[in-house]
Amino acid sequence: GENVEQHPSTLSVQEGDSAVIKCTYSDSASNYFPWYKQELGKRPQLIIDIRSNVGEKKDQRIAVTLNKTAKHFSLHITETQPEDSAVYFCAARNTGGFKTIFGAGTRLFVKA
Amino acid sequence: GAGVSQSPSNKVTEKGKDVELRCDPISGHTALYWYRQSLGQGLEFLIYFQGNSAPDKSGLPSDRFSAERTGGSVSTLTIQRTQQEDSAVYLCASSSKPDYAYGYTFGSGTRLTVV
Repeated sequence: GENVEQHPSTLSVQEGDSAVIKCTYSDSASNYFPWYKQELGKRPQLIIDIRSNVGEKKDQRIAVTLNKTAKHFSLHITETQPEDSAVYFCAARNTGGFKTIFGAGTRLFVKA
Repeated sequence: GAGVSQSPSNKVTEKGKDVELRCDPISGHTALYWYRQSLGQGLEFLIYFQGNSAPDKSGLPSDRFSAERTGGSVSTLTIQRTQQEDSAVYLCASSSKPDYAYGYTFGSGTRLTVV
């Protein structure tokens, strides 16, 4: 069935360094890939997304890349700040599909 | 409303009792989703509504779980004869279209504790 794997499960970086979270998906029909950020005790919030017709998208300090051939996509956060500390979820959805499949999440710690 | 509202925010219930969780999506959002998040875990899909119909119920863990949506708006998730393994945060989300290219807006969730 559909599956999204996410690595690493935990990531600790020093403030100012970059953080990279990687995901793979199994359903080759997937063509929409959102990323959600969930701060402790709060709801997941959409921070960036990418569609299959592009390979990269950037929004200020965050960027996503997509390799459809390899079925890989990644989140890159540059110049990390303590407020970036949260759990990040990748997800995949396909055209005509009714549900978004989420990865297990990456807990990011940014040390000041 | 301005966001997705869920109630109650917290629910403690005794094993074996039934519970009802409510979700009020963003006005005009036709698609509504229920997910479950166990402590420290990811988001587990439960059910999807397009309007009042549920094309995909494949995520419901057992026949103790049911959901309905009326008037294309409010949805209730009902868990009968609750078990301790049902303890989790139940998240509702809505989107303006079922089209693939839109992200979700999540509610704050209902934290269910079965004792």
